Amino acid sequence: SQQGEEDPQALSIQEGENATMNCSYKTSINNLQWYRQNSGRGLVHLILIRSNEREKHSGRLRVTLDTSKKSSSLLITASRAADTASYFCATDEGDNDMRFGAGTRLTVKP
Amino acid sequence: DAGITQSPRYKITETGRQVTLMCHQTWSHSYMFWYRQDLGHGLRLIYYSAAADITDKGEVPDGYVVSRSKTENFPLTLESATRSQTSVYFCASGSYEQYFGPGTRLTVT
Repeated sequence: SQQGEEDPQALSIQEGENATMNCSYKTSINNLQWYRQNSGRGLVHLILIRSNEREKHSGRLRVTLDTSKKSSSLLITASRAADTASYFCATDEGDNDMRFGAGTRLTVKP
Repeated sequence: DAGITQSPRYKITETGRQVTLMCHQTWSHSYMFWYRQDLGHGLRLIYYSAAADITDKGEVPDGYVVSRSKTENFPLTLESATRSQTSVYFCASGSYEQYFGPGTRLTVT
């Protein structure tokens, strides 16, 4: 069964705006990762946040993790049309059995 | 070229046939994974391998067989394909960060 569940399922914004996606999960984790998938392509790793970290940055990406609420958020600042993709969170409980959510489909309009 | 490749990229087969999807990586990653992606389900882990000759079941292993005789290859076999196995299959390698192949779109008629 899925571990992570993303919210919203779909998000449409204008170029330059910020996009926020949320992920909730059910059990204790070692780390949580975010991936991007462009249409018809494989997933690309974006960022990993460990269970003892609360926030992490990578370029225009900001990820937060709240283990007490079992939730994470991915913020993409100053979005671009090229950010249009599906975004997935994946939880690692420590046994290499990564569980992916169903994803958030982000559309950035130019 | 370094990377992870899958073949074939597209495959149509009939119910009951055996199908093998190939995956090859050039990074010498110990871990390799097979996922299937279906609408509404995200990615689900079928099998994974921690090293050559070591494989383990994931969330949805029924109907699939894997082997890993060499570190760089991790083939996935559908022994008797069913329509419910129509999906996009992704191979990945790596441990904390996983690197995904381009996928194989399999249709079982």
